[in-house]
Amino acid sequence: GAGVSQSPRYKVAKRGQDVALRCDPISGHVSLFWYQQALGQGPEFLTYFQNEAQLDKSGLPSDRFFAERPEGSVSTLKIQRTQQEDSAVYLCASSLGFLAGLSAETQYFGPGTRLLVL
Amino acid sequence: ILNVEQSPQSLHVQEGDSTNFTCSFPSSNFYALHWYRWETAKSPEALFVMTLNGDEKKKGRISATLNTKEGYSYLYIKGSQPEDSATYLCALCPRGGSEKLVFGKGTKLTVNP
Repeated sequence: GAGVSQSPRYKVAKRGQDVALRCDPISGHVSLFWYQQALGQGPEFLTYFQNEAQLDKSGLPSDRFFAERPEGSVSTLKIQRTQQEDSAVYLCASSLGFLAGLSAETQYFGPGTRLLVL
Repeated sequence: ILNVEQSPQSLHVQEGDSTNFTCSFPSSNFYALHWYRWETAKSPEALFVMTLNGDEKKKGRISATLNTKEGYSYLYIKGSQPEDSATYLCALCPRGGSEKLVFGKGTKLTVNP
């Protein structure tokens, strides 16, 4: 079956440009997550949706970062006025969610979008 | 904040060698511990989810154990193959928050033919 897909796979942006990264989760998955992986680090949590509700955005590094999931399926992570420190791999993951009755749900990841800000 | 440490940072082994690496954590205040394998240019692939002290999981030549009392999990690969080359990530799902995962920095494994 189809896994999580992300687009674009690679993005080069000039400093100050706005970018939008898209995530298509597995159909029927309630929970959706965005993570950021900087070079040499593990993935770090950015934000989390349960259906269309953004329940946790504590990991967003600044107000230049904005995420939405308006219909509870596809999600977009937008970064305004990109800076060089935004260069990273942005990973999206989805899961059935705790609503499935389990507190140990597997998160299924997409291949990531590699963002390079020049 | 739950801190997840992985060691070693990188590892080079010969084809056929068995190997293991460690994920350590200071507290057992989490729902589950996850292991992922991440090959270059691919999606991170879920290997195991473990929840209970003493849990042992196996998938082919790869197995994992969890010791929440002493704060570590081991991942073992028996008879490494070049296709095992990847970064292995450990992550915890902390209690009391959202379903987010807290990751270690990973162990990069290279298996030489």
